[in-house]
Amino acid sequence: KAGVTQTPRYLIKTRGQQVTLSCSPISGHRSVSWYQQTPGQGLQFLFEYFSETQRNKGNFPGRFSGRQFSNSRSEMNVSTLELGDSALYLCASSDPSGGPWEQFFGPGTRLTVL
Amino acid sequence: AQSVSQHNHHVILSEAASLELGCNYSYGGTVNLFWYVQYPGQHLQLLLKYFSGDPLVKGIKGFEAEFIKSKFSFNLRKPSVQWSDTAEYFCAVSPLRDDKIIFGKGTRLHILP
Repeated sequence: KAGVTQTPRYLIKTRGQQVTLSCSPISGHRSVSWYQQTPGQGLQFLFEYFSETQRNKGNFPGRFSGRQFSNSRSEMNVSTLELGDSALYLCASSDPSGGPWEQFFGPGTRLTVL
Repeated sequence: AQSVSQHNHHVILSEAASLELGCNYSYGGTVNLFWYVQYPGQHLQLLLKYFSGDPLVKGIKGFEAEFIKSKFSFNLRKPSVQWSDTAEYFCAVSPLRDDKIIFGKGTRLHILP
């Protein structure tokens, strides 16, 4: 099976702009989670989608939003970018139907805000 | 609030040294436990996991971890590290029947050849 893919791999934006990141999960996985990874803060949970519905949300401002499509692909949007949004954004997919579950991570999108 | 604490932010060891990375979590109920590893330039990948049963779990590349419920700990160990173990290690906890995983802030491990 192909792994989790994320596009684009690198992005450079300026403050105030908005950005959309894309994630394609492993085939058959219906749960997609998003994380922000920064040095010293580790992985901070943004949100999780399952069957096109947001099931969980972390403690991020409303500028961070996401959605999931019927084919389980997910997008994450950040509006009005701030310098502090510079980070590696990771997407992970899983298949919770089998009981205890583990997440499979993509390579991430490196976002730099200037 | 649920949280995961990794005691060491940076660890430097020489090859063949023994390794133990600490992880404690705050959650009173039943949990699933994970260690993930991120090698330089690579994806985050699962090293090992604990769901139930024997509290001593073995993962890939000679790593193991012990779940001590009374101490809310899930420490990672390896008896003899190699240069290729240089990576960042993340402990993670998922409360049972919850749909999210809470990660620690990570430990950067540097192995000197």
